[in-house]
Amino acid sequence: GIQVEQSPPDLILQEGANSTLRCNFSDSVNNLQWFHQNPWGQLINLFYIPSGTKQNGRLSATTVATERYSLLYISSSQTTDSGVYFCAVRSNFGNEKLTFGTGTRLTIIP
Amino acid sequence: DSGVTQTPKHLITATGQRVTLRCSPRSGDLSVYWYQQSLDQGLQFLIQYYNGEERAKGNILERFSAQQFPDLHSELNLSSLELGDSALYFCASSVVPGTYEQYFGPGTRLTVT
Repeated sequence: GIQVEQSPPDLILQEGANSTLRCNFSDSVNNLQWFHQNPWGQLINLFYIPSGTKQNGRLSATTVATERYSLLYISSSQTTDSGVYFCAVRSNFGNEKLTFGTGTRLTIIP
Repeated sequence: DSGVTQTPKHLITATGQRVTLRCSPRSGDLSVYWYQQSLDQGLQFLIQYYNGEERAKGNILERFSAQQFPDLHSELNLSSLELGDSALYFCASSVVPGTYEQYFGPGTRLTVT
């Protein structure tokens, strides 16, 4: 099945810093979603972005489907941004399930 | 708030027992998905229903079963529970199967003692 790799696995930043999280996938996809899992375990939808670029406040994401990667940018980090960020994809082949990466754990220090 | 609801939020039970987790999808969504998040396996797809019918199966154990009812809510039944079944169980929904965005509920945290 499709493989999803996220990097870096851990990231520790000062409040106010910017960061870039990467998601690589091994096959063509028709759905790509970014999620933030907060310290309470909730999975928050950030972006639905199978291709192109989107922005939402301090967050933006870009997916280059032909090169099989997606990037999540977080600017001016706040402590509330802490948590685990997951990339999940739906392969063009097989069923409609999402395959998740192993996540990037982001810690923002005040 | 995604619009997907799950009950209960927390469940503590003993090995060998049986539990039922409940999910109500977003209004208008016909497809429901169940995922399991454990420390060693990460987030994994279990099973999908569409308009009452099973549509796809993933890494779901034979001790687990699910169904989707006419009102579109879904239940995940876990039986003969083992310590390794302790995990966070998520339900997600989408309008229809396919390339549509999936929205996740808050999860049910199951602890088997």
